Amino acid sequence: AQKVTQAQTEISVVEKEDVTLDCVYETRDTTYYLFWYKQPPSGELVFLIRRNSFDEQNEISGRYSWNFQKSTSSFNFTITASQVVDSAVYFCALSEAQGGSYIPTFGRGTSLIVHP
Amino acid sequence: DAGVTQSPTHLIKTRGQQVTLRCSPKSGHDTVSWYQQALGQGPQFIFQYYEEEERQRGNFPDRFSGHQFPNYSSELNVNALLLGDSALYLCASSWFGIQPQHFGDGTRLSIL
Repeated sequence: AQKVTQAQTEISVVEKEDVTLDCVYETRDTTYYLFWYKQPPSGELVFLIRRNSFDEQNEISGRYSWNFQKSTSSFNFTITASQVVDSAVYFCALSEAQGGSYIPTFGRGTSLIVHP
Repeated sequence: DAGVTQSPTHLIKTRGQQVTLRCSPKSGHDTVSWYQQALGQGPQFIFQYYEEEERQRGNFPDRFSGHQFPNYSSELNVNALLLGDSALYLCASSWFGIQPQHFGDGTRLSIL
């Protein structure tokens, strides 16, 4: 079973539109971490946010915001007033304790294309 | 402050050959993880090295092996290359394995 599901393979928007990227996860652990990473064409994964399972407070960072809901096992990411520079592949990831290490399991990613 | 650096950037090999990829972690980091990212997929965890030992391993065959040196840099070795090994190989580093990790730009490996 897939532990992290990003059902949206590709999203295309026009600049200044708001866009939400969905992430649904599956775990039996009570302690876990959730992440969002951005991967531009250069290939490097850029860390955006980390959330632990005990902190359901939503977070806003500039045009980015994240909505964590344990009741629906979702950790969605919203970009407000999208810009062309936001075009990238975005990955949601789940870290569970494995032998003492929290190794992240990544979703398949959502490709966001922002048109000028 | 240099981030995670990987070499080479691109590599072309043929089936059956062996390849070595290299990674230097971010300054201050002591843990290195390797991931394989096939086209259109998310990164898949290969293994993690800490204190020069493999601490955790993902679901990859023994053809994939690694090493960590005293300066915390690391190598990923893949033997008997298959066409399916074509992918972007990402290295990530952290302190004591604590997330989040910092990723390098990756090595794009093509198998002909």
